Formats: sequence, C-alpha cells, structure tokens
Amino acid sequence: EVQLVESGGGLVQPGGSLRLSCVASGFSFSRDWMNWLRQAPGKGLEWVANIKEDGSDKYYVDSVKGRFTISRDNAKNSLYLQMNSLRAEDTAIYYCARGYAFAWDYWGQGALVTVSS
Amino acid sequence: QSALTQPPSASGSPGQSVTISCTGTSSDVGGYNYVSWFQQHPGKAPKLMIYEVSKRPSGVPDRFSGSKSGNTASLTVSGLQAEDEADYHCSSYAGRKGWVFGGGTKLTVL
Repeated sequence: EVQLVESGGGLVQPGGSLRLSCVASGFSFSRDWMNWLRQAPGKGLEWVANIKEDGSDKYYVDSVKGRFTISRDNAKNSLYLQMNSLRAEDTAIYYCARGYAFAWDYWGQGALVTVSS
Repeated sequence: QSALTQPPSASGSPGQSVTISCTGTSSDVGGYNYVSWFQQHPGKAPKLMIYEVSKRPSGVPDRFSGSKSGNTASLTVSGLQAEDEADYHCSSYAGRKGWVFGGGTKLTVL
C-alpha cells in the first residue's frame, strides 16, 4: 500500500522558516518525480514545486521562487520542503504527492502551515 | 484568483448526470492534453479521478469521464450517487508555469 506521511507543519511568524518532511512507502520512491502542492483555507489547490527522481532538476511556482527549496533523500524515502521568509499568504495545508502522467496519483494527508504573528 | 475557471457549484439528483466545466487558455488547457480532475471530500486529500483529459486511474468508476474542446475541459459524472458529493478540482499543465488549477466546484447530490 502506498503511503505518504507529511510532518513539520505548525505556527510560524511572518519572515520565519519551517521545514516540511514527507516519508514515502509502498512504491519505488527513487523512480518517481515528487511534488509539493498546497491549499489555502477554503481555497483551491496550488502546485508549489517538484523534483526529479535523482534530485537533479527542481521547479517552482513563481510565488515561492527564492524562498522555498525542495529536496529529497532517496536512501530515506523522504521528500522535504524548506520554507524561508514565510508570508501570511503561505498559510495552507501542504501536501506531498507522487507525480504521474502530468498529474498526481498518490497524496499525503497534508501538513498545516500557519503564518501569523 | 485561479488561473482556470470552474463554476463554484453544481448539483443533480441521484441517477442523473452532471457536467463541470474548466476553462483556461491556449497556454494551458488548450495547449496540452494534460488536464486532470480531482475529487476532494471535506477534510480529506484530493483523489485523482481523470488524467490526460479522459483517462481513468484503476479503481475509478466509469461513471466519471473527461473531455476537452479548445480551451475548455469538462468532467461528467453519470448516474450520480450520494458519495459523489464532494469538491472537484481541475488542473492543467501550463509549460514553464508548471501546473495551474481551477478554484474548485462543489458538487451537491440533491
């Protein structure tokens, strides 16, 4: 059974940092593109970033470029999102998801990030 | 404001069919056959229902179908069932922008 479990969410002040983690199981993690997506409270979904199987290519939505960094450790079946210079508009549930056919077939349960003073 | 436009709500009675639209531009929906649809129940993670415009992942009932014409994609749910009541989100690959989404449509089964 495929499982994606996020952790690391919480309350952070504007300008602060947070690191999300996602541990994968039930599939060959090192063979798949992995993604972070988010959903602000009561809003639609937004793709945030993705990373190639070996970590050599990374892409970001414009609104987080220069502030967020996606990374992975294939030996630990883990995906990460380092979030710096956080803003109120970054408040959302963050999901890790496996890339599949230019979509996402498996999603974690999500980690809530709240940016507020 | 979302890049793709979806109606905020849709509804139908059990057994009926409902179609949800998703309108973009030639830079996303119209430019690629990479439109996908997700079902999301309250408090749950999204679930992939349709990918590459009209393909269904294993386990998704064939009551769900997708299509595209020009810059508008559509999701049709036939034979509505109570468990189909959920939010539905469309997404499209958009080249250098990555992926864009619609604002979501709340489907109510009357």
